[in-house]
Amino acid sequence: SQKIEQNSEALNIQEGKTATLTCNYTNYSPAYLQWYRQDPGRGPVFLLLIRENEKEKRKERLKVTFDTTLKQSLFHITASQPADSATYLCALGAGANNLFFGTGTRLTVIP
Amino acid sequence: DADVTQTPRNRITKTGKRIMLECSQTKGHDRMYWYRQDPGLGLRLIYYSFDVKDINKGEISDGYSVSRQAQAKFSLSLESAIPNQTALYFCATRRGEANVLTFGAGSRLTVL
Repeated sequence: SQKIEQNSEALNIQEGKTATLTCNYTNYSPAYLQWYRQDPGRGPVFLLLIRENEKEKRKERLKVTFDTTLKQSLFHITASQPADSATYLCALGAGANNLFFGTGTRLTVIP
Repeated sequence: DADVTQTPRNRITKTGKRIMLECSQTKGHDRMYWYRQDPGLGLRLIYYSFDVKDINKGEISDGYSVSRQAQAKFSLSLESAIPNQTALYFCATRRGEANVLTFGAGSRLTVL
């Protein structure tokens, strides 16, 4: 069966360090992968998209990698800040009709 | 004002009642979606619509129905609510072939 796993339910890191979140998938051949941020009581907000033929994408302090051989994406936040604390969702795009979401990793950045 | 507005934000109801969750958008996007979010299960697609005359079932459509009243409005109905439909419901929009979803703030539904 199709499965998307995000490395852990919760991740705590010290302010200033790099946070690395993992998204692994099985039985998908995604054309692209996305990362969203979700704050409590709010809907997910789009952060980054990376296509299957791209290895890496960057946006300010965010970096995403996509390895279709390992079936894995890594999401990095460098110089993390308490304001980065949120739940981060990965989503696989397998066509125009749907995105398949992981369950999310709750990141807490400790001052 | 929010680009995607959901009402109500919170609703508590009883088993067997009919419930409607409404979604309206000002983004001018043609595609609209209803997702359900449960702890440990992630976001799952209930229904989606590419335009007013196009409605499609998602992976968990049983027990739900939808209506696309206009390009900007997409409502989700539970004809006879049951406790396992207690969840956080999100409406989202998407522009044409673009891949990014814009979500509303969510509607928390509790069925007792």
